[in-house]
Amino acid sequence: RKEVEQDPGPFNVPEGATVAFNCTYSNSASQSFFWYRQDCRKEPKLLMSVYSSGNEDGRFTAQLNRASQYISLLIRDSKLSDSATYLCVVTQIRGFQKLVFGTGTRLLVSP
Amino acid sequence: GAVVSQHPSRVICKSGTSVKIECRSLDFQATTMFWYRQFPKQSLMLMATSNEGSKATYEQGVEKDKFLINHASLTLSTLTVTSAHPEDSSFYICSARDPSGESSYNEQFFGPGTRLTVL
Repeated sequence: RKEVEQDPGPFNVPEGATVAFNCTYSNSASQSFFWYRQDCRKEPKLLMSVYSSGNEDGRFTAQLNRASQYISLLIRDSKLSDSATYLCVVTQIRGFQKLVFGTGTRLLVSP
Repeated sequence: GAVVSQHPSRVICKSGTSVKIECRSLDFQATTMFWYRQFPKQSLMLMATSNEGSKATYEQGVEKDKFLINHASLTLSTLTVTSAHPEDSSFYICSARDPSGESSYNEQFFGPGTRLTVL
């Protein structure tokens, strides 16, 4: 079983739509949780951290459910520029915080 | 955020040759850098952790004699793929942790990646 599992998609949505991505992780000892965005053939970039209390940044809302080991990302009012792959990332302690990446969920926003 | 550069951005080489990839932290000192590999449609996988002034720590299944890592200064880590073969073709990405950053988990900043193609 993969440590971090995501639906690879792609999710095809029209501009203005609301779309939600989910992610599950297997290691209950995971410490921190993040969503990264990766554009085609580019490096991943931190989108936002995820907290149990929920975290909102503009059109993006992230939520963590530790009991279910489940992380979500909600994007409202989708823009063409939101088209990318969204990576769910958890950390494990190995003397430092090791990042463990999911395979990503691809989002395609069309006009 | 902090800036990390990688060079080269793309390399094509013949099977059996060695390829060196450089990772630099441009505006901060990084005692720890990380090397990842990403195959098409797969997740980034940590290959090794590069520590300045000491030996790198390799993840399980990564051959340390094939992927040589040198972290000779606080701003530079190099990854050398020795005797590269077509199955080594991949997207190699480094990241660096800024220990002086305000982030509680010491955010990792990623380089732009190096796309290696071995013919």
